[in-house]
Amino acid sequence: GAGVSQSPSNKVTEKGKDVELRCDPISGHTALYWYRQSLGQGLEFLIYFQGNSAPDKSGLPSDRFSAERTGGSVSTLTIQRTQQEDSAVYLCASSLSQGDGGELFFGEGSRLTVL
Amino acid sequence: GDSVTQMEGPVTLSEEAFLTINCTYTATGYPSLFWYVQYPGEGLQLLLKATKADDKGSNKGFEATYRKETTSFHLEKGSVQVSDSAVYFCALSPGGYNKLIFGAGTRLAVHP
Repeated sequence: GAGVSQSPSNKVTEKGKDVELRCDPISGHTALYWYRQSLGQGLEFLIYFQGNSAPDKSGLPSDRFSAERTGGSVSTLTIQRTQQEDSAVYLCASSLSQGDGGELFFGEGSRLTVL
Repeated sequence: GDSVTQMEGPVTLSEEAFLTINCTYTATGYPSLFWYVQYPGEGLQLLLKATKADDKGSNKGFEATYRKETTSFHLEKGSVQVSDSAVYFCALSPGGYNKLIFGAGTRLAVHP
């Protein structure tokens, strides 16, 4: 596609349920990032993929959060046993390379609401 | 750790007014600095960047200069338009790969 695509755009779930958020990066972009944007907060880094491997997972808030990337393309962020504090907009971004100074291209995000 | 602090919003201006949004950073080493913008209903997009001290990034009439001595990267525009209404994020990249550390964002509202 022309840009980074994320789905679903909105997700409402009950506390304790698992959710999966999907990111389809720009074709050919080897680097992929997940961020979280909570109300009134800045963007919080979650995880970085280079190809299918994740050399930096330092931002994942707890072991309820996991992510994978397959085929060097689509990535899925999974949140198990969701809590109300997980409510946020989850943003995915991709870039052509891992080099410093490169531009990140962001999707429009998946808004997660945990009731 | 590395961090970015930017002025709280919202910032409300009349069309053609001068804009400054302050951004300061804390980092070890020599980060690259960025301004990203999020227009209503759209994803974040890069506005401008500077990769070394004294560099000036510019785009769409916006400018920011990388000031190492004051650890700042303030965003300026001489004459804002209604279409500039958006949320502006200052960010740094510590280096090595494009992991960005963002400020909290500043909402700008420009009125006719």
